[in-house]
Amino acid sequence: EAGVAQSPRYKIIEKRQSVAFWCNPISGHATLYWYQQILGQGPKLLIQFQNNGVVDDSQLPKDRFSAERLKGVDSTLKIQPAKLEDSAVYLCASSEGQTFYNEQFFGPGTRLTVL
Amino acid sequence: AQKITQTQPGMFVQEKEAVTLDCTYDTSDPSYGLFWYKQPSSGEMIFLIYQGSYDQQNATEGRYSLNFQKARKSANLVISASQLGDSAMYFCAMRGPNTGFQKLVFGTGTRLLVSP
Repeated sequence: EAGVAQSPRYKIIEKRQSVAFWCNPISGHATLYWYQQILGQGPKLLIQFQNNGVVDDSQLPKDRFSAERLKGVDSTLKIQPAKLEDSAVYLCASSEGQTFYNEQFFGPGTRLTVL
Repeated sequence: AQKITQTQPGMFVQEKEAVTLDCTYDTSDPSYGLFWYKQPSSGEMIFLIYQGSYDQQNATEGRYSLNFQKARKSANLVISASQLGDSAMYFCAMRGPNTGFQKLVFGTGTRLLVSP
């Protein structure tokens, strides 16, 4: 079974530029998550999708971050414009459902450096 | 609000010895799940073990076991017979009905270094 795929693995940009990350969840997983992991911290949920609908985006900085999940499969996370504090690893995860015992499977992450 | 506390920034253990990584949590929910993840230097989060709040027995998965003490609100991870490949960051996380559509809340992690 293929795991969660993410691209690119690394990205370096200058502040005020735009960047987009892509995620392909495990086939059949209805729930998709984007996390931000700043160096030295645990991951923090940015947004959660159930199929192609948003169920939690309370911690997404909506003035600069946006995300979509077209057709309930792939997802993209965009930052426009980027700030220095956005330097982090962006992790995508998926699970079969939303209940608290559903295991989340994580992708390898995208390491973003904003200069 | 839910909160996870991992007080050990780093731990050292010799190969083949056992090690305990501490985790305490705070929640007012009666129903919740506790998770441990391993994050190697490559970056991906690898699920290790799960404990439900109503589970009567401590969870075990191979060399991993979870020492669940509900009254103390602790969920320590025990790794038996440590291997060099166990060197990584370890994160404790919880998820419950009131964490906003069951989102995972993570601790700050513990870096484990296994020496030969």
